[in-house]
Amino acid sequence: DAGVTQSPTHLIKTRGQHVTLRCSPISGHKSVSWYQQVLGQGPQFIFQYYEKEERGRGNFPDRFSARQFPNYSSELNVNALLLGDSALYLCASSPGTSEAQYFGPGTRLLVL
Amino acid sequence: GQSLEQPSEVTAVEGAIVQINCTYQTSGFYGLSWYQQHDGGAPTFLSYNALDGLEETGRFSSFLSRSDSYGYLLLQELQMKDSASYFCAVVRGFQKLVFGTGTRLLVSP
Repeated sequence: DAGVTQSPTHLIKTRGQHVTLRCSPISGHKSVSWYQQVLGQGPQFIFQYYEKEERGRGNFPDRFSARQFPNYSSELNVNALLLGDSALYLCASSPGTSEAQYFGPGTRLLVL
Repeated sequence: GQSLEQPSEVTAVEGAIVQINCTYQTSGFYGLSWYQQHDGGAPTFLSYNALDGLEETGRFSSFLSRSDSYGYLLLQELQMKDSASYFCAVVRGFQKLVFGTGTRLLVSP
């Protein structure tokens, strides 16, 4: 079975631009979560969606938004990019029946 | 507020046993998870403890004491491939993880 997939793998943007990151969960998983990981730190929770509804939001500004589609794939959008948004963005899926989350390889975003 | 504390780095030799401790302060505690992350890779789920006690999965075991706000990950029969970062993560709500800063484990021959 395919694992969690994310696209693109790498992205370079400039300050003020907008970015959309995509995630496809493991087949059958209805929960998708997004995390931001800065080098040398643990992942930080951004959003969690279950059955297409937002179930949790971390301490991130309104420039960050997300949605989940009927096929359970998800998008993370970041507007008005700042240098500090440079990070690895991780998507994780779960069937929702256990606490194990399965992470994708991430999208590495560099903001110049 | 919330905080998780782990040692920043631990070193050990192949075949040895190593314990990585995690203390936490948080509200809304559901349980404690552990994840492994190799350099350049994605975090991989290792274990989850909702109740006090020891959970064993192969060479890895995880322990939780809710009254002490403390847990640990025990790695036995260390192998070179175990060199990675290990994160404890508090489960604060449905599928919501709060990660620690991670412990870098270096296994030498």
